Amino acid sequence: SQTIHQWPATLVQPVGSPLSLECTVEGTSNPNLYWYRQAAGRGLQLLFYSVGIGQISSEVPQNLSASRPQDRQFILSSKKLLLSDSGFYLCAWSPGPNGDYNYGYTFGSGTRLTVV
Amino acid sequence: QKEVEQNSGPLSVPEGAIASLNCTYSDRGSQSFFWYRQYSGKSPELIMSIYSNGDKEDGRFTAQLNKASQYVSLLIRDSQPSDSATYLCAVNGGTDKLIFGTGTRLQVFP
Repeated sequence: SQTIHQWPATLVQPVGSPLSLECTVEGTSNPNLYWYRQAAGRGLQLLFYSVGIGQISSEVPQNLSASRPQDRQFILSSKKLLLSDSGFYLCAWSPGPNGDYNYGYTFGSGTRLTVV
Repeated sequence: QKEVEQNSGPLSVPEGAIASLNCTYSDRGSQSFFWYRQYSGKSPELIMSIYSNGDKEDGRFTAQLNKASQYVSLLIRDSQPSDSATYLCAVNGGTDKLIFGTGTRLQVFP
């Protein structure tokens, strides 16, 4: 069965510090991978998605970047955090281009980031 | 701009009642539809998917789809306090991206 791992669960970082959040998927190959952010009491905001190694699409221009160095690894980064980067960061996967769009997404457990 | 609309709530229902959650979408070409449940502080969990017009039942949950009206709903029978959560509607228009609504907060009181 497929599993998705996301860490760390919580993170408190000072303004101006760097960020690296990691997400890995097991039990599948060539998944589509997604990074979402959810501000307190708000909906899901798609930040980045990837359909393959090195292929990153950015949905919202901002202080963040994403990379996919391996097939089942997706990393969210920032060089200098802003207060507005605080939120609940969620990684998700779905079957890749040859998979089933009807499958939906499976989310990781999330990282709660507080920038102070 | 493809959109998915949900009433933010809260929708308050007594324990044992039927909770009805509604969602409308703008893309007439949408092909698959999903309901996620998100408990406070947790990540969304897929609870129902539906692809064809009509009803789909899974335990206490029933998803209803009407493509002509661009409307999808989730019924929760015999609502329990443990059903209290935010319910997210998501729609796939045949691409690799789901479009999520902002969610409806459900409160089930004893």
